[in-house]
Amino acid sequence: NAGVTQTPKFRVLKTGQSMTLLCAQDMNHEYMYWYRQDPGMGLRLIHYSVGEGTTAKGEVPDGYNVSRLKKQNFLLGLESAAPSQTSVYFCASSYPLSGGLATNEKLFFGSGTQLSVL
Amino acid sequence: GENVEQHPSTLSVQEGDSAVIKCTYSDSASNYFPWYKQELGKGPQLIIDIRSNVGEKKDQRIAVTLNKTAKHFSLHITETQPEDSAVYFCAAYLSGSARQLTFGSGTQLTVLP
Repeated sequence: NAGVTQTPKFRVLKTGQSMTLLCAQDMNHEYMYWYRQDPGMGLRLIHYSVGEGTTAKGEVPDGYNVSRLKKQNFLLGLESAAPSQTSVYFCASSYPLSGGLATNEKLFFGSGTQLSVL
Repeated sequence: GENVEQHPSTLSVQEGDSAVIKCTYSDSASNYFPWYKQELGKGPQLIIDIRSNVGEKKDQRIAVTLNKTAKHFSLHITETQPEDSAVYFCAAYLSGSARQLTFGSGTQLTVLP
């Protein structure tokens, strides 16, 4: 049981390049999330998914796209990378507790992807 | 807008002493308040949480207190050890953001031997 696995762990891009970050979870969780972590700003939600085939915008979605074609995978894409997207990206997953309520669920995080855009 | 403020941003304590980290939130409807610990090079991990119908919760050397009237909650670590050194994040679900767990800005705790 690996939990939440992110690939790659490190990546350097030039401005304008594109890339996809992959997140995979083996816990059969319904919900998956992408966060970015910047110094002094905590973790900010980019996009999330409440199930296979569904996605929704978070707090900072601009410049990113996501897809959830399979329940276990959640992809984060950068179509045209900008220096402002230099950050550490974390994927997380969770399962709904009783009644499908979302307000008390435990998030399981991956180990992160360090992305630098030059 | 709705947010979660966390203080201090850095905290150094001597091994064996206590550490306290405080967070305030703006939404009186918030009802769930988790704390996550992030060790160097790893993702955050839930260490304790509290719901709005409880004023305090303890788990060994860790405790969380909640004051709903004042809209603040705190993490207390007693008898600190070097392995407690990490970044700690508080969080809360804010109204209008059913799936958005809003995090504080983090506290770098250093336990000095």
